Amino acid sequence: SQQGEEDPQALSIQEGENATMNCSYKTSINNLQWYRQNSGRGLVHLILIRSNEREKHSGRLRVTLDTSKKSSSLLITASRAADTASYFCATGGSYIPTFGRGTSLIVHP
Amino acid sequence: DVKVTQSSRYLVKRTGEKVFLECVQDMDHENMFWYRQDPGLGLRLIYFSYDVKMKEKGDIPEGYSVSREKKERFSLILESASTNQTSMYLCASSAPTGPNEKLFFGSGTQLSVL
Repeated sequence: SQQGEEDPQALSIQEGENATMNCSYKTSINNLQWYRQNSGRGLVHLILIRSNEREKHSGRLRVTLDTSKKSSSLLITASRAADTASYFCATGGSYIPTFGRGTSLIVHP
Repeated sequence: DVKVTQSSRYLVKRTGEKVFLECVQDMDHENMFWYRQDPGLGLRLIYFSYDVKMKEKGDIPEGYSVSREKKERFSLILESASTNQTSMYLCASSAPTGPNEKLFFGSGTQLSVL
């Protein structure tokens, strides 16, 4: 069963623009994580936000969490061609992280 | 840095063969996971393990089994490979410092069953 669902499924932008992707989930969570996957490779952890946090930053990444709406957003500022990848949110109320289907981001040089 | 190593990057097998996918992690993590990833379906959990010799079914365990004889190694076994098991298989590990602490993934094994 998939807890988180990312939106949009695909996003195409120009280098230098900001990219925003969203994640909605269904049940209560302890934390929410965002991962990145380059084509044909494993996932790499980007950022974790706990249920008592509302916003978190890491470099060009900004994550928000709204537990009342059961949603999170990932903002990548000043995107680069190297940011082209799929982005996944992972949630879970227990030990088991469950992933959404991901957002495919293409950044055109 | 944590390293999770999957034994094969690409694998081609015949229908009916018994297939072993190996995963080794070097950070003494208790938790290990096997996911499969298919286009449009995201990652789906096959099996996970909290400790040596311990295993729990995930969302799609049918047609698979696992083995964890040593803490660092978690093997996924396809007892009799079928074409619908053609997929990308991803192994991951995590430390049990709390619920849903971050996962460390291997590079994946792209399995083709002909």
